[in-house]
Amino acid sequence: QVKLVQSGAEVRRPGASVKVSCETSGYIFSRYDINWVRQASGQGLEFMGWMNPKSGNTGYAPNFQGRVTLTRNTSMSTAFLQLSNLKSDDTAVYYCARGGPWIPGDFWGQGTQLTVSS
Amino acid sequence: QSLLTQPPSASGTPGQNITISCSGGDSNIGSNSVCWYQQVPGAAPKLLIYISDQRPSGISDRFSGSKSGTSASLAISGLRSEDEADYYCASWDDNLFAYVFGPGTNIAVL
Repeated sequence: QVKLVQSGAEVRRPGASVKVSCETSGYIFSRYDINWVRQASGQGLEFMGWMNPKSGNTGYAPNFQGRVTLTRNTSMSTAFLQLSNLKSDDTAVYYCARGGPWIPGDFWGQGTQLTVSS
Repeated sequence: QSLLTQPPSASGTPGQNITISCSGGDSNIGSNSVCWYQQVPGAAPKLLIYISDQRPSGISDRFSGSKSGTSASLAISGLRSEDEADYYCASWDDNLFAYVFGPGTNIAVL
């Protein structure tokens, strides 16, 4: 069965960086995009970016250009989200999701809570 | 401010039918298909509808989607208590080259 398992909760200071992992299983990693979506407490879903695991090509939503880097380790079927220059507004749950044609995510990770606080 | 517009809330009694609207523009819903997600507190979103009107395997046929022009709708028939959740629409935006989500609609079953 398709599974996406994310790394655990993180706490960072403002200005720091964080890297979240998303380990996939149950399907061929290179055949589906990995998308990242975040959700602040009590707020809606916000798309951050996408990555094609086969080519490594990436795309980022305008709000995150320059601060987000999406990478992958194909041998481990794992995708990574790195967010830099953290602000308190970045406090949120971060989700990875398996993307399909015109689908932001058909299978989702369990979410990773990031808290940014001084 | 989301490019997609949804009503913030809606409610119904068990057994009723309810419809959630999602309004966008030419660069998103007008040019691309729509997905709908259900999210209960503390859980990841769950895909209900893709390509505007298709249901993934395992999703009840009480959920149906449609799209016309720059708007889309999610209909829930025979409302049940377990349908209480937030519902989000999403579509690819050709100008942003990214997905956009609606702000979400909270459904209450009275």
